[in-house]
Parts: sequence; C-alpha cells; structure tokens
Amino acid sequence: RKEVEQDPGPFNVPEGATVAFNCTYSNSASQSFFWYRQDCRKEPKLLMSVYSSGNEDGRFTAQLNRASQYISLLIRDSKLSDSATYLCVVKTGTASKLTFGTGTRLQVTL
Amino acid sequence: DVKVTQSSRYLVKRTGEKVFLECVQDMDHENMFWYRQDPGLGLRLIYFSYDVKMKEKGDIPEGYSVSREKKERFSLILESASTNQTSMYLCASSPHGVAAYEQYFGPGTRLTVT
Repeated sequence: RKEVEQDPGPFNVPEGATVAFNCTYSNSASQSFFWYRQDCRKEPKLLMSVYSSGNEDGRFTAQLNRASQYISLLIRDSKLSDSATYLCVVKTGTASKLTFGTGTRLQVTL
Repeated sequence: DVKVTQSSRYLVKRTGEKVFLECVQDMDHENMFWYRQDPGLGLRLIYFSYDVKMKEKGDIPEGYSVSREKKERFSLILESASTNQTSMYLCASSPHGVAAYEQYFGPGTRLTVT
C-alpha cells in the first residue's frame, strides 16, 4: 500500500464551482500534513499546512481526520488560475523528509 | 527571493555514461533533497542531506550517488546511466527546525537516457 494515496483525477469543474480532494495516508505515526501545488511543467510549491482543527486560507480550506487517516482540500469559487496538480504531503518521524502523493489534477474551465 | 537552481533544464545522455546533476541554493538551508518525478509515480526521494558531507538514502537510491561538499551545493551522480533513469529530476532545499516542511524546489532537469 502506498504511504500517501490520492485520486489522480482529472477533476474538470466550471469556474465558480466548489471542488474537494481527499488524500489518505497509511502511517498512523505521521505528524504533519501539507498541500503543495504544482502547475504544469513547473516545480511544486507549498500551498498550505493542514492542522488538526482545520484551517482556511482565503478560498482554500484544509481538514485533517486522524482517526480515518485522511486529509482534504476544499476550493471554493474556483478560478481558472487554480488549474494545477495538488499534491498531498505527509511528514513522518523527526527527519526533515516529506512523502508526496502522486497528485490530483484540477482543470477549471470557463 | 529564495532560489534553487539546477544546472540544466534538459539533458540527453547515452546508456553507460556518467551523469552529474548540480543543484545550488542561495537560502543557507541545511537540508537538500533529490527527487525524481514520473507519471503515475509522483515524486520519489532519491537521497537527501541535512548537512555538509552528510547524506541519507531516500526511497530509491539504487543507481545513484550524491555529493555535498559545500552547504549551498548538492550533486546527484548517475554512475552509469540506464534508460530506466529517464525522468524529471527535482532538487529541493529546506531549513532545519519547524520550518523544515517547506521545501523549495528547483525548476527540474529533464534527463533522457538513450
């Protein structure tokens, strides 16, 4: 079983729609969780951290469910510029390394 | 503005050649990483380094080695390139401590081994 699993998509949504992605992780000892964004032919960049209580950053809301070992990302009022691949990322242990999911591709259309 | 640079955007090498991929960061970060990214497999960690001259194997170190002689520079070496090493190679860096989760990536090197 992969350490971090995501639905690869693509999710095709119209502008203005709300879309949600889920991600599951296998190691119950994982401590920290993040979403990264990767635009086509570009490098990944940190989008936001995911806190146990849930957190919001503008149109983006991240949630963590430790009991079920899944993380979610909700995007409200989707924009064309949100089109990208969203990578679920987990940190396990004390080392600085991260484990990346394979990503979920989002395509926002007019 | 933080910056991670990689020596080449595109590289074509022949099977059996020795290949050097260079990565330089200007953020005085302690941690540096080499990943490869393949369709359907995502980002996989090859090696990482948390200090000068220190290195740790990642998830797929076979066929690769690394060198970190200076803090700002982390090199990935393919001793004898093979066609299954054709991939996008991404270098990243991060600081030590609580901010270590934010990795800054270079633009990537697309390596083709023929």
